Amino acid sequence: GENVEQHPSTLSVQEGDSAVIKCTYSDSASNYFPWYKQELGKRPQLIIDIRSNVGEKKDQRIAVTLNKTAKHFSLHITETQPEDSAVYFCAVSTGFQKLVFGTGTRLLVSP
Amino acid sequence: DTEVTQTPKHLVMGMTNKKSLKCEQHMGHRAMYWYKQKAKKPPELMFVYSYEKLSINESVPSRFSPECPNSSLLNLHLHALQPEDSALYLCASGTSELFFGEGSRLTVL
Repeated sequence: GENVEQHPSTLSVQEGDSAVIKCTYSDSASNYFPWYKQELGKRPQLIIDIRSNVGEKKDQRIAVTLNKTAKHFSLHITETQPEDSAVYFCAVSTGFQKLVFGTGTRLLVSP
Repeated sequence: DTEVTQTPKHLVMGMTNKKSLKCEQHMGHRAMYWYKQKAKKPPELMFVYSYEKLSINESVPSRFSPECPNSSLLNLHLHALQPEDSALYLCASGTSELFFGEGSRLTVL
């Protein structure tokens, strides 16, 4: 089955800095790559996603890049704010309704 | 309405009890999911229903029994659970983007 690795497990930055989280996957048939944000005690919520026919996607301060050849994708957050503090999960899907999550990154943004 | 509603929010049960978790969505999604999330871990897929039929069972023990009465409702029946089954149980709906409920936090004594 699909194996998704996510790094780092913890990331501490100062407000205004950039944060980068990386994920690698094993199944070359995977074609959908979402990122979810989960605040403490809350539900996971989709923040951005990318499909295999696109190399990069941006939404305001958040961007995702995909390298299908190397089987890795990354989340980039610029101008971080304290409210960005949360656990971020990457996920991978082959399109058969089976979403496999990465191990998660706890992001802490200090004012 | 972009909400997935789960009840109860909290549940404490003994190992001999029978209980059910409920999930409801009104977004017209034809796929609904149960995920299990332990503390500081990612959600793990348990079951997928597509058009009210069970399409994926991730080798979940039979003490967990899913049911999809109609396209808006999803239940998870619990019987003879073990303490290690204590976790947050998340319901979701959607095809690509998944919309998650707030979860039912289950404690098995």
